[in-house]
Formats: sequence, C-alpha cells, structure tokens
Amino acid sequence: EAGVVQSPRYKIIEKKQPVAFWCNPISGHNTLYWYRQNLGQGPELLIRYENEEAVDDSQLPKDRFSAERLKGVDSTLKIQPAELGDSAVYLCASSLGAGEGYGYTFGSGTRLTVV
Amino acid sequence: AQSVTQLGSHVSVSEGALVLLRCNYSSSVPPYLFWYVQYPNQGLQLLLKYTSAATLVKGINGFEAEFKKSETSFHLTKPSAHMSDAAEYFCAVSEGTNAGKSTFGDGTTLTVKP
Repeated sequence: EAGVVQSPRYKIIEKKQPVAFWCNPISGHNTLYWYRQNLGQGPELLIRYENEEAVDDSQLPKDRFSAERLKGVDSTLKIQPAELGDSAVYLCASSLGAGEGYGYTFGSGTRLTVV
Repeated sequence: AQSVTQLGSHVSVSEGALVLLRCNYSSSVPPYLFWYVQYPNQGLQLLLKYTSAATLVKGINGFEAEFKKSETSFHLTKPSAHMSDAAEYFCAVSEGTNAGKSTFGDGTTLTVKP
C-alpha cells in the first residue's frame, strides 16, 4: 500500500512568488492534515479536512495561504505571495478519522526555502 | 487547551544502554497520546499510542511508553539502544473533544554512541 505522497520534495523560490504543494493521502483515509514544521520545532497544524470540508483552519494565515481538497482525496496547499518566514517543511498527513485516537500517517514533506 | 512539553531537546546514550525520553502533557479532558519518530529528510512515523486502554503501551522497534495520569507524563523507553534508533522523537497529544487535532512537542534528538 502506498503511503502519503507529497510533491515536490524540495522547492526554492524568491520571496513574493507563489508556490503550491500537493498531497495524495492513503486510500480510504477521510481526514487529511497540513502541518508546518519550522527548524528545531514540532509540527504545527495549518488545516484539517474531513472529506472535502475544511473543519479546522484556525491556524491557516488566510491572507496568503489557501488550500483545497477537491472530491475529498488529493489536496493542494498554496502560498501567494511567499515570505522569507514561510521557509519550513510542509507536512501532509492522513488518518482514518478524527476520533478514537487514530494516529497519523505522514508524507515525507516538502522543504520550502524562500530567498 | 492541550500542550506537550518534551524535557531535553537532545539525549545521548551509548549503544545497549537504556533510552528514556520524557514527555509531559496538559489536557483538560482524558487525552490520547502519541510518540512519533522522524529520521532525517523523512516524515514522522507513528511509534505507539495511548487511547485509554492499558497504561503501558508497546510500540514498534522495542519501544514502550507508560501513561501516568497523576504525573501527566507519557515517557518513552527502550531497554537497549541500537544505532538505528538515532533520530528525532516527537510526543503528541489530542483531546477527546477535538481528537482530530494533535499538538506536538518540539522534539528530542536521540544520539546513540557506539
């Protein structure tokens, strides 16, 4: 079974440019998460989806970040325009559901460098 | 609000020695607790989880953790360290009322010396 697939693995862009990250979760996992991991820190939740509905986006900087999960499967996270402080690893994870203490399965992440 | 504190950002042990990584949590309701491992340039992998069943939880690669409500702790242990255990370890908590959101600690980097 394929795990959570993310692309690209690495991205270097100049500030003020747009960037997009893509995630394909494990088949059958209804819940999808985007986390941001800064250097030396733990992951922080940006947005959580239940199927195609964003049920928790309270930590998403909506002035420049957007996300979508069409048809409740793949998801895309976009930043426009990017700032230097957006340099981080962006992790996608999925789980069977939001309850019962389901653990997450993470992708390998996209390392974003904004110069 | 839920939170996690991992005591010690770096832990170094000799191969064959006991591994002890500390995690304390804060939660207003009975929590779910998790340990994840992250190898360089990879995503996080679930090691084990506590979901209100047995307080001593066994995970992969010989790791285990004990939930102690009175101490609000969920420390990770392994009796004998192996070189392949060198990685970063994250403790995470989620609450029953918002079980879909896990809050992570800042991680502990484990170094294993030959």
